[in-house]
Amino acid sequence: EAGVVQSPRYKIIEKKQPVAFWCNPISGHNTLYWYRQNLGQGPELLIRYENEEAVDDSQLPKDRFSAERLKGVDSTLKIQPAELGDSAVYLCASSPTPAGTLYNEQFFGPGTRLTVL
Amino acid sequence: AQKITQTQPGMFVQEKEAVTLDCTYDTSDQSYGLFWYKQPSSGEMIFLIYQGSYDEQNATEGRYSLNFQKARKSANLVISASQLGDSAMYFCAMRGPSFQKLVFGTGTRLLVSP
Repeated sequence: EAGVVQSPRYKIIEKKQPVAFWCNPISGHNTLYWYRQNLGQGPELLIRYENEEAVDDSQLPKDRFSAERLKGVDSTLKIQPAELGDSAVYLCASSPTPAGTLYNEQFFGPGTRLTVL
Repeated sequence: AQKITQTQPGMFVQEKEAVTLDCTYDTSDQSYGLFWYKQPSSGEMIFLIYQGSYDEQNATEGRYSLNFQKARKSANLVISASQLGDSAMYFCAMRGPSFQKLVFGTGTRLLVSP
């Protein structure tokens, strides 16, 4: 079974430029998550989708970040314009179980390492 | 607020020895789940083990076991018979009904030496 796929793996951009990250979850997983992991920290949730609906985007900086999950499968996370502080690893995860259950095993992709110069 | 604390930034262990990685947590939820993830240098987070707050037995998965002490709010990960491939970052995380997301600690870097 293929895991969560993310692209690109690495991205270097100059500040004020736009950038987009793509995620393909494990087939059949209805719940999809985007996390941001700053250096030396654990991941922090940006947004959670149940199928195509964003059910938790309280931590997403909406002035510059946007996300979509068309047809409840693939998802794209966009930053426009990027700032120096956006340098981080952006992780996508998916889960087969509804988010309401406590035991919610999340399968993570390899992440996209973003460097903003 | 929910919080996970991992006080060990780095741990060293020799191959074949056991190691304990500490994790304490804070939540006002009565029911919650505790998770441990491994993050190798390749970057992906690998799920290791889960403990539910009402589980009476400590969780075990192969060489991994979770030493759950509810009164002390601790959920330490024990790795038995360490292997070189265990060298990685380890994150403790928590999930509760009032916060529908995983809250992670800052992680512990484990280095296994021959």
